[in-house]
Amino acid sequence: QSALTQPASVSGSPGQSITISCTGTSNNVGNFNLVSWYQQHPGKAPKLMIYEVSKRPSGISNRFSGSKSGNTASLTISGLQAEDEADYYCCSYADSSTLVFGGGTKLTVL
Amino acid sequence: QVQLVQSGAEVKKSGSSVKVSCKASGGTFSSYTISWVRQAPGQGLEWMGRIIPILGKANYAQKFQGRVTITADKSTSTAHMELSSLRSEDTAVYYCAREVPAAAWFDPWGQGTLVTVSS
Repeated sequence: QSALTQPASVSGSPGQSITISCTGTSNNVGNFNLVSWYQQHPGKAPKLMIYEVSKRPSGISNRFSGSKSGNTASLTISGLQAEDEADYYCCSYADSSTLVFGGGTKLTVL
Repeated sequence: QVQLVQSGAEVKKSGSSVKVSCKASGGTFSSYTISWVRQAPGQGLEWMGRIIPILGKANYAQKFQGRVTITADKSTSTAHMELSSLRSEDTAVYYCAREVPAAAWFDPWGQGTLVTVSS
C-alpha cells in the first residue's frame, strides 16, 4: 500500500483557518468512511483529533473538523492558535483489512 | 480509562531481533485490538500490523510480512511485537495503540519505544 498523499507543509496566522488534504485511492479513502486524523507534537505520541471522517473525540475542540469527497479527505482547523503548530497525519482503512497513513503535514502558525 | 505502557529503549545489532511489549490497563484487554505503528527519525507514521487478543489472530502490512510477529498474552494484558532480521532502516520509535475494531482509529497510544539498530 502506498502512503496517502498530504502536503508537506501548510501555514497560517493566528485566527485564520487552514485545510490539510489527504489523497488516496478507491482502495482506501474513496471506498471507506474510515479516515482518522492525528496531531503530533515533537517528541510526543500522536493524538486522535478526528475519526470516521468527521467525528470529534470527547475533549477535542470544535475548531477541528473533517470531511471527505471522493478519494480525498480533509482536515480543517479554524481560529488557528499557537498550540496547533504540530505535525498532522491522516490514516485510512484499506483493502485486505490493512491501514495506511499519509506522509504527514507540518503546520506552522506564523 | 485505557492506558498503554511500553517497554524501554533497545539497541540491537543488524541481523538480530527485537521484542517490544505493550501493557494495557483499564478496560477489558480481550476486547481490544492492538496495532503497532512505527516512525523512523524525521519520518511519518507507518502501520505494521494488529492483533485481536480475544481471537489470538494477527494480520500484518505486506511490507512486514514474514519479519514481524505480533502476539498477545491475555493473562498479563500485554501485547508484544517482535521484528526480526533487523537492519539500520528499522531504527525507529515503535508505538502500540488501541485500535477500535471495524472503525480503524487509534486511541490511546503508548508512549513509544526507541529501537536503534547498529552495525
